[in-house]
Parts: sequence; structure tokens; C-alpha cells
Amino acid sequence: NAGVTQTPKFQVLKTGQSMTLQCAQDMNHNSMYWYRQDPGMGLRLIYYSASEGTTDKGEVPNGYNVSRLNKREFSLRLESAAPSQTSVYFCASSDGPGLRQPQHFGDGTRLSIL
Amino acid sequence: AQTVTQSQPEMSVQEAETVTLSCTYDTSESDYYLFWYKQPPSRQMILVIRQEAYKQQNATENRFSVNFQKAAKSFSLKISDSQLGDAAMYFCAYRSEQGGSEKLVFGKGTKLTVNP
Repeated sequence: NAGVTQTPKFQVLKTGQSMTLQCAQDMNHNSMYWYRQDPGMGLRLIYYSASEGTTDKGEVPNGYNVSRLNKREFSLRLESAAPSQTSVYFCASSDGPGLRQPQHFGDGTRLSIL
Repeated sequence: AQTVTQSQPEMSVQEAETVTLSCTYDTSESDYYLFWYKQPPSRQMILVIRQEAYKQQNATENRFSVNFQKAAKSFSLKISDSQLGDAAMYFCAYRSEQGGSEKLVFGKGTKLTVNP
């Protein structure tokens, strides 16, 4: 039971570099999400995808782009990384639009930008 | 917009004792879901317990139970017979039931320490 798988687990970037965080789920869920978690803060939603082919902005979308490649995969891209994007990133999925399903989370990606 | 407040940044409890973590939220909606998530040092987010707002009965899951006070917009988590493995960050979360919203709003978390 893999659930939600995120890669990589750790990454260090220089300011201005780009990178893509990968997320895949094997639960046939419709909805997928990207969150960031900063010290002393709860999770904040960056982007979400209610179904394959759709994406919507969350609370903190600036500086990020996403792609819902297929039902399984939802990637998060930083085009030009900034130190303010240093954070732990979580991908999650749920069986939406039925709102009665809780979200399942990946193990997180710790991203440091120098 | 909905907000979730956890007023206790840190709590500690002795092994085998009971501890209660507080959570309040602000919403104008009548239908919604509330969750408690646990995040151990491994960082994985684990669902502990959930509560549907339309249910008056408090949810329970083994040693974990909630005290849901809808009028007061309060959703506290009680951990009974605390174990060393309960040490973690605990996050309260709110999920709307209206308008097709699929977003969770999280509190800032409470760090729970369990002393042997």
C-alpha cells in the first residue's frame, strides 16, 4: 500500500534555479493537493486539482505552477526558486468531490533554497 | 473565510495520563467536517479522528476522543492513557461541505510531549 508518494524527499537549490516536485497516488483518488508547511505554521494550500485536467489556486500560489499529468500524478514546479520558498512540501489526495473522505498525505519534501 | 485556532503551542503529559488539546474555529457554515491530524517526527501526516458537524455524538477512536461543541465552535481532542508513541505535532483542521470546496484549513499545531 504505497498511498501517496512524493519525490524527492530532500533537495537543496540555489536562488533562481528551477525544479519540479513529483507526487503520485495509487488510490484512484480524484482530488490532489499541494501544501507547504513552515515553522510555527499550519499547512497552507498552494494548489489543488479537483479532477484530472483541472487545477485551482489555493492560499499561497505565487511562485508555483502545477500540472495534473493524469489521474495519478500531480507535480509542483518552482520556476525560479527564492529563499522564501524554503519549506516542507506535502502532497495529498482525496476521493473528491465526495467531501466525506479525509485526505491522505505523502511523507513530505524538505526543500532548502540558498 | 474559515479560520482554525490552536491556542496551545506546546503541551506535555505523563505516560498513562490524559491530556486535552484545544481547537476553536470560525465559520458561518452549518455543514462541515473537523479533523485532528498527528505529525510525528517522521513528518507524515496521520489522520487521528474526524467529526461531522451534523452529528451531535462525539467521535471516538480507541484512546482518542473529541469534545465537539458546535455552538461554541470548539473541537478539542482528548488522549487517554497517553503513550510515548503519542508524542507528535497535532493539527486541527476544518473542511467545508459547501460550494464544492475541497480545501482543508489547518491550525498552527500543538506539540505534544509525553514524559515517561
